[in-house]
Amino acid sequence: GAVVSQHPSWVICKSGTSVKIECRSLDFQATTMFWYRQFPKQSLMLMATSNEGSKATYEQGVEKDKFLINHASLTLSTLTVTSAHPEDSSFYICSAGDQSTDTQYFGPGTRLTVL
Amino acid sequence: QKEVEQDPGPLSVPEGAIVSLNCTYSNSAFQYFMWYRQYSRKGPELLMYTYSSGNKEDGRFTAQVDKSSKYISLFIRDSQPSDSATYLCALRASGGFKTIFGAGTRLFVKA
Repeated sequence: GAVVSQHPSWVICKSGTSVKIECRSLDFQATTMFWYRQFPKQSLMLMATSNEGSKATYEQGVEKDKFLINHASLTLSTLTVTSAHPEDSSFYICSAGDQSTDTQYFGPGTRLTVL
Repeated sequence: QKEVEQDPGPLSVPEGAIVSLNCTYSNSAFQYFMWYRQYSRKGPELLMYTYSSGNKEDGRFTAQVDKSSKYISLFIRDSQPSDSATYLCALRASGGFKTIFGAGTRLFVKA
């Protein structure tokens, strides 16, 4: 089946620094990718929709200046957490929609720990 | 009212039991219904995908959708300890991939 990868799988950073997470669709092109955040023992909360070649669409309550999304190609979207703080520590998961199969595939997730 | 309601559990069953997981939703615009399995610290894995009322079977898994009642279910037959995970229902409307998830039900299958 289709594969979506994320890099890095785990990152630890100091408070105040920025962290970039990559999401790639490996064997299909995705005009739309999604970024989710998941806190322990909670469900996935959609943060934003990443649109290739245009601005991302953010969900209510998500700070667009803090969570920068870039979707420069049909196979790559990046999420940059700027000026990270401990409360940003979470599991970040991306997904990509494969229009040929009408199916959304999820990446393995990135665990972010901000000290 | 949340768009999707799912009992978070935990649900504990003996090996070999039939497991029933359920979600209700409020928005009739949802047309696609999915069940994902998520192991701890991993991304969700698609188990079942359907878009019509009725049953869909795949091995030990059966997905059931009742659009009139806005109720979806996942049944697991002959449950195994390896089925222990969190199961999330997910719904989306037509015309895009934006997906809304239920809270997820934590399932434990005891050997």
